Amino acid sequence: AQSVTQLDSQVPVFEEAPVELRCNYSSSVSVYLFWYVQYPNQGLQLLLKYLSGSTLVKGINGFEAEFNKSQTSFHLRKPSVHISDTAEYFCAVRSGGYQKVTFGTGTKLQVIP
Amino acid sequence: NAGVTQTPKFQVLKTGQSMTLQCAQDMNHEYMSWYRQDPGMGLRLIHYSVGAGITDQGEVPNGYNVSRSTTEDFPLRLLSAAPSQTSVYFCASSSRGHTSTDTQYFGPGTRLTVL
Repeated sequence: AQSVTQLDSQVPVFEEAPVELRCNYSSSVSVYLFWYVQYPNQGLQLLLKYLSGSTLVKGINGFEAEFNKSQTSFHLRKPSVHISDTAEYFCAVRSGGYQKVTFGTGTKLQVIP
Repeated sequence: NAGVTQTPKFQVLKTGQSMTLQCAQDMNHEYMSWYRQDPGMGLRLIHYSVGAGITDQGEVPNGYNVSRSTTEDFPLRLLSAAPSQTSVYFCASSSRGHTSTDTQYFGPGTRLTVL
């Protein structure tokens, strides 16, 4: 079985400050890892994904994430946030077949002016 | 391309009523799936399809039916709505790659309330 834990349900941060959204996963097999963003009243949009290779993954809107196999983590970072980054962020893990996608419970990022 | 479209955007039902949530994609994707999103629970997979005529259950299939007669459409049916089915429903699709690493594209969602 696989699972995803997003420990922080809400993260407030001032504009232009750095932010890290935490994601830990568990799986007995190799995994693919994803971060999605959901803006209010919209569907989910892929930010970035780790499939293989370099453990540092760069995504859209200046976000990046680092895959750490020993700590089973895939934390999302941005060096300087903008008001427009206010949204909910979901970490997801996929292993095995297509249907085995598990989402975390989400982290709401609130950027304060 | 319109991507993944869902109708309706909002729906209110009474307990026991039936309805169908529509999902369509114009990207010729083989894989399609339905999720429900509830506060504090993330997204949970209801049903999915790996191609026309092929469907299977996800994590929370009870109370829902699906069919896939065409590549483009993947409707979700609630035969007898219950208040526990109040949720936001998302449809997603992805292409089929031999490395199984394809990205899922999500629709805008249907917000369903069952009274």
